[in-house]
Amino acid sequence: EPEVTQTPSHQVTQMGQEVILRCVPISNHLYFYWYRQILGQKVEFLVSFYNNEISEKSEIFDDQFSVERPDGSNFTLKIRSTKLEDSAMYFCASSEGQGAHRKLFFGSGTQLSVL
Amino acid sequence: KQEVTQIPAALSVPEGENLVLNCSFTDSAIYNLQWFRQDPGKGLTSLLLIQSSQREQTSGRLNASLDKSSGRSTLYIAASQPGDSATYLCAATYSSASKIIFGSGTRLSIRP
Repeated sequence: EPEVTQTPSHQVTQMGQEVILRCVPISNHLYFYWYRQILGQKVEFLVSFYNNEISEKSEIFDDQFSVERPDGSNFTLKIRSTKLEDSAMYFCASSEGQGAHRKLFFGSGTQLSVL
Repeated sequence: KQEVTQIPAALSVPEGENLVLNCSFTDSAIYNLQWFRQDPGKGLTSLLLIQSSQREQTSGRLNASLDKSSGRSTLYIAASQPGDSATYLCAATYSSASKIIFGSGTRLSIRP
């Protein structure tokens, strides 16, 4: 069964450093998303991406965050200058379409630890 | 404010029992509601998706219902097995907005 893959599974970085989290969505999917889950808290929406542009973003997704689809397969989340509070599990997801029948497929996540 | 709530936060039952997990949402104008399973250190696996025009969906031993008027959804698990132990999340999509709003989950433990 096709799946969303994320790399790396774990990332440790120093505060202030830039990190790039990588995702390969399911090949025929057109909509891409990033979510995060801080330990012990709810899964939170960050951003959605369609047709090479951001379609929606949350208040969490400020200027230090950016997303890119550099080629036909990868989808990346960049955090420019990491803060301690950015430590979380980051999930990438993709879906074939939008609408009431839309089903999201999630990757297994990247655990980001900012020291 | 659109919110999704799940009660209880944790549930432990003996193997073989049927059980119900509860989810409530504050705005009845949902587009769809999904139930996910999350295993420790793993991603989220979509179990069932109920469109706003539907009242229930079934997959194997799982049955999810949706009552928009009361703002509730339930996930029924029949004949529970130790392999069902995981955290179960419900998540609502409002209008055609891209984002999904998640509940905090119910951590289910099935005792052999």
